[in-house]
Amino acid sequence: LAKTTQPISMDSYEGQEVNITCSHNNIATNDYITWYQQFPSQGPRFIIQGYKTKVTNEVASLFIPADRKSSTLSLPRVSLSDTAVYYCLVGDPDSWGKLQFGAGTQVVVTP
Amino acid sequence: KAGVTQTPRYLIKTRGQQVTLSCSPISGHRSVSWYQQTPGQGLQFLFEYFSETQRNKGNFPGRFSGRQFSNSRSEMNVSTLELGDSALYLCASSLEGNYGRATGELFFGEGSRLTVL
Repeated sequence: LAKTTQPISMDSYEGQEVNITCSHNNIATNDYITWYQQFPSQGPRFIIQGYKTKVTNEVASLFIPADRKSSTLSLPRVSLSDTAVYYCLVGDPDSWGKLQFGAGTQVVVTP
Repeated sequence: KAGVTQTPRYLIKTRGQQVTLSCSPISGHRSVSWYQQTPGQGLQFLFEYFSETQRNKGNFPGRFSGRQFSNSRSEMNVSTLELGDSALYLCASSLEGNYGRATGELFFGEGSRLTVL
């Protein structure tokens, strides 16, 4: 599984856009990029997944440059309830049953 | 649609005892994975089951075991409990995609918080 590097923490104010960049220099051809969100004492929740270019859903956008060595999760207009840990994971379909979570990024949103 | 259900939610054991945790996946999901989460080690993969067979295994000692039943429900067991086994144990289920593989979207339960005294 490709190793990922993401910031330990990020602070933001309500209503701002939060962008979390994840580095994965050793990403393989078959690897996808997946982001999860976790609140305290709860299991992680799937946010978004992509392979290349841009993916958008009702919650977030995922930007992946052509070389795929990094990716950016964008959370538009965050609210207090977006305070959570965000995990970036990279892997191919054979590894999705055994996801390896890193330390994640603690995002704190304040009024 | 009911989510992933884990029982019990909280439990306290003493060193040397054993514990069994249960997980009921989302209806129709045949892949079930287990994770251990501690403040020091973060989220660590324990094992994955698919159609009653262990498909993947993490780097945990043999005291940690699991199984999956024909209805996809899964149990994990930890024998000879140690203080370091205190953790939140999370179960996740997923739909299989092509070739029976997990699709990359795991649905997690709320976990079973184990405290070992």
